Amino acid sequence: DTGVSQNPRHKITKRGQNVTFRCDPISEHNRLYWYRQTLGQGPEFLTYFQNEAQLEKSRLLSDRFSAERPKGSFSTLEIQRTEQGDSAMYLCASSNRGEKLFFGSGTQLSVL
Amino acid sequence: DQQVKQNSPSLSVQEGRISILNCDYTNSMFDYFLWYKKYPAEGPTFLISISSIKDKNEDGRFTVFLNKSAKHLSLHIVPSQPGDSAVYFCAASGVYSGGGADGLTFGKGTHLIIQP
Repeated sequence: DTGVSQNPRHKITKRGQNVTFRCDPISEHNRLYWYRQTLGQGPEFLTYFQNEAQLEKSRLLSDRFSAERPKGSFSTLEIQRTEQGDSAMYLCASSNRGEKLFFGSGTQLSVL
Repeated sequence: DQQVKQNSPSLSVQEGRISILNCDYTNSMFDYFLWYKKYPAEGPTFLISISSIKDKNEDGRFTVFLNKSAKHLSLHIVPSQPGDSAVYFCAASGVYSGGGADGLTFGKGTHLIIQP
């Protein structure tokens, strides 16, 4: 069990650029989640996959955000035309049915 | 609307004493509650959980109490140790509460500081 892995750990970008983050869940987990955490707040739900199907999206996920999990294994989260308000820690978590979520260490995004 | 509330942003406790962290929730669809611990620059790590059919769950130094009628839960840490210094998040989930099948709604967290 290698845990949930996220890359990169840190990303600094200029406003207007596109960024992509990767998450590798625990191998036997079929459920994968993306959360966003800003300073002074708890993690906020963004989107959820069961295998390769994206089953739920938060209203926080604007049109500039897209997430994929093409083969039901790793997932990517892309943000297009980044804005300063996108600066946050992006957390990935995975689980098996009815079990607790295991989180990765997150990707800290800074938009300048 | 904050469905899970942690009203104390920070809490300072002396080493060896009991730490009590509180959490309130508003959504009656929540039926499973968890506490996560988070160190800076790391993701949250699971600490302890409780189902709504129970009112207490204990794991070593950590005990979680659930008062369903008051929609309140608390985490007790005894004795508190320096390594317990971290941000503690209360989280809740339920079948129709949103956020995915096992998805969680988090509070804003309480920063626990254990003083020597």
